[in-house]
Amino acid sequence: DTGVSQNPRHKITKRGQNVTFRCDPISEHNRLYWYRQTLGQGPEFLTYFQNEAQLEKSRLLSDRFSAERPKGSFSTLEIQRTEQGDSAMYLCASSLEEGQGETQYFGPGTRLLVL
Amino acid sequence: DQQVKQNSPSLSVQEGRISILNCDYTNSMFDYFLWYKKYPAEGPTFLISISSIKDKNEDGRFTVFLNKSAKHLSLHIVPSQPGDSAVYFCAASAYNTDKLIFGTGTRLQVFP
Repeated sequence: DTGVSQNPRHKITKRGQNVTFRCDPISEHNRLYWYRQTLGQGPEFLTYFQNEAQLEKSRLLSDRFSAERPKGSFSTLEIQRTEQGDSAMYLCASSLEEGQGETQYFGPGTRLLVL
Repeated sequence: DQQVKQNSPSLSVQEGRISILNCDYTNSMFDYFLWYKKYPAEGPTFLISISSIKDKNEDGRFTVFLNKSAKHLSLHIVPSQPGDSAVYFCAASAYNTDKLIFGTGTRLQVFP
């Protein structure tokens, strides 16, 4: 295992369609994060899991967004009824809980374009 | 409200010289700070971090300085190399949450 992987790398969809992204974290990491990045901005936090429990969700995560980590390993992020404003890079990161000062390691991202 | 600010959108430095990237923050609860490097179409790559109990951390060509009273940190790269050309993000986390808050990034260009 060489790092965080994300699939697909690119997704083009029409407005109103549903999309699902997958993230596989570094194998021994128990925490998994989702971020979104738009042009000219830094990544913005969406949600995170410790094992299978979703511990925090951002206000950015509307009810059209849902994330799961069913067995505490890989995670999926689903966007229902996509809108053009959902076009962004979706980044996944993982870390090992160590108390203060965890370093999050990012995957390559999934670039979503909603037409 | 931008809690982490990188006020210089770009920086151009000659190869071999020092690159200094700056970051300011407003939230006094931040206690861990990180720098990431990002190439186009890739995810951020972790570079170096610093805890609030320290004021300096060094790793090879990269040194991060933290000034808590000024709520300011900086990343020094010396000597700069053309391969360092990328966008650099400053990020911070607070003791009561594990999410990272990112700045808007500084594009560094190192020319020969």
